[in-house]
Amino acid sequence: AQSVTQLDSQVPVFEEAPVELRCNYSSSVSVYLFWYVQYPNQGLQLLLKYLSGSTLVESINGFEAEFNKSQTSFHLRKPSVHISDTAEYFCAVSEISSYDKVIFGPGTSLSVIP
Amino acid sequence: GAVVSQHPSRVICKSGTSVKIECRSLDFQATTMFWYRQFPKKSLMLMATSNEGSKATYEQGVEKDKFLINHASLTLSTLTVTSAHPEDSSFYICSARGHRAGYGYTFGSGTRLTVV
Repeated sequence: AQSVTQLDSQVPVFEEAPVELRCNYSSSVSVYLFWYVQYPNQGLQLLLKYLSGSTLVESINGFEAEFNKSQTSFHLRKPSVHISDTAEYFCAVSEISSYDKVIFGPGTSLSVIP
Repeated sequence: GAVVSQHPSRVICKSGTSVKIECRSLDFQATTMFWYRQFPKKSLMLMATSNEGSKATYEQGVEKDKFLINHASLTLSTLTVTSAHPEDSSFYICSARGHRAGYGYTFGSGTRLTVV
């Protein structure tokens, strides 16, 4: 069975500073990887995903994540954060199978400080 | 594309009553839908996986008689919390997946259930 680890439960960072949110996964088979963002009292929004191909994936709002198979990691980065990036970020993994259930990490709370 | 509508967004019910939550895929056929529960400041816990026309597969520790899931069509799945108790209060989120692996994994906006 797959599992996801997000080592940092809370990450405070000053506005316009860079940030990295770490994600490691465990699986015995090939996986798809995702980052979701959740704003207070809202559902989840897909930030970016890795299915195949280039190991570096980017979102439209400046986030990027790199799939590293040897380190089983999928860290999320942004070179300059905004106040509006304050939210909960979830890394998720799905084993490539007929049902593809998505398993979430515990989440990282990103707080951007003015 | 790939929009999932979840209704209601908030519901308050009395202890002992049942509550139904709907999850609809608006512009694609969802062969598989997933139901999650999220506790405050916690991650999402997968409750069950439902496939259209067949019985749902529940995760270990989830009471299937308490959380009834029906996936009668390719665009609708429902979660019914039966005989609700205050400890069932939580944020419930559904997710729908289409035929292609990269097409689905769209989440609904969630339902905040409060049992009083």
